[in-house]
Amino acid sequence: QVQLQESGPRLVKPSETLSLSCSVSGASINNYWWSWIRLAPGKGLEFIGNFHPSGLTLHNPSLKSRVTISIDTSKNELSLSLTSVTAADTAVYYCARGGGYPSAFDLWGQGTMVNVSS
Amino acid sequence: QTVLTQPASLSASPGTSVSLTCTLRSDIYVRNYRMFWYQQKPGSPPQFLLRYKSDSDKQQGPGVPRRFSGSTDVSANAGILVISGLQSEDEGDYYCVIWSNTTWAFGGGTKVTVL
Repeated sequence: QVQLQESGPRLVKPSETLSLSCSVSGASINNYWWSWIRLAPGKGLEFIGNFHPSGLTLHNPSLKSRVTISIDTSKNELSLSLTSVTAADTAVYYCARGGGYPSAFDLWGQGTMVNVSS
Repeated sequence: QTVLTQPASLSASPGTSVSLTCTLRSDIYVRNYRMFWYQQKPGSPPQFLLRYKSDSDKQQGPGVPRRFSGSTDVSANAGILVISGLQSEDEGDYYCVIWSNTTWAFGGGTKVTVL
């Protein structure tokens, strides 16, 4: 059974960098696209970006150059870095399998809540 | 302008059929897109329900009941998720999503309440 588990700090200060990890079990991270998606309070889902082990990656243009997504194949882990955070980045962050068009997201982690506050 | 627009909420009685709409921005056409639908219940991650572009290009999510189905309304430029025989367990938020302009665009979600 494939499982995804996000982890990282629950509180990040404004202007600092949000860093999250997603541990994948039950499947090799090498065989799929992987994505990060978030859900801000009172808002809808927002695609952050995706990554393929071949090195292909796409980010949501609305997040400009603040996003870095990578994988560590030795740990079977996906990572997200979001720089210069503001209160608008407060959200539940999900990692998900898929997101390389034409396939969407077929499996999601439980999500981790990150608050941006001083 | 928002790529995908969904009504914020919808309420219906058990046993009825409901249609959740997802309207595309006027410069993009529903016929050209595979639309994916997700259901999210409080405290849980979204779950894939189905994908629909046409009757010949569709996919049901694993274990998703057949009472969830997709369609399109070309005249309204909208994708539609139909839930037949609404049940109390269907309460939750429903999101549509398409691949547009090299990114995934989500609708704002529709909150379904079963009366």
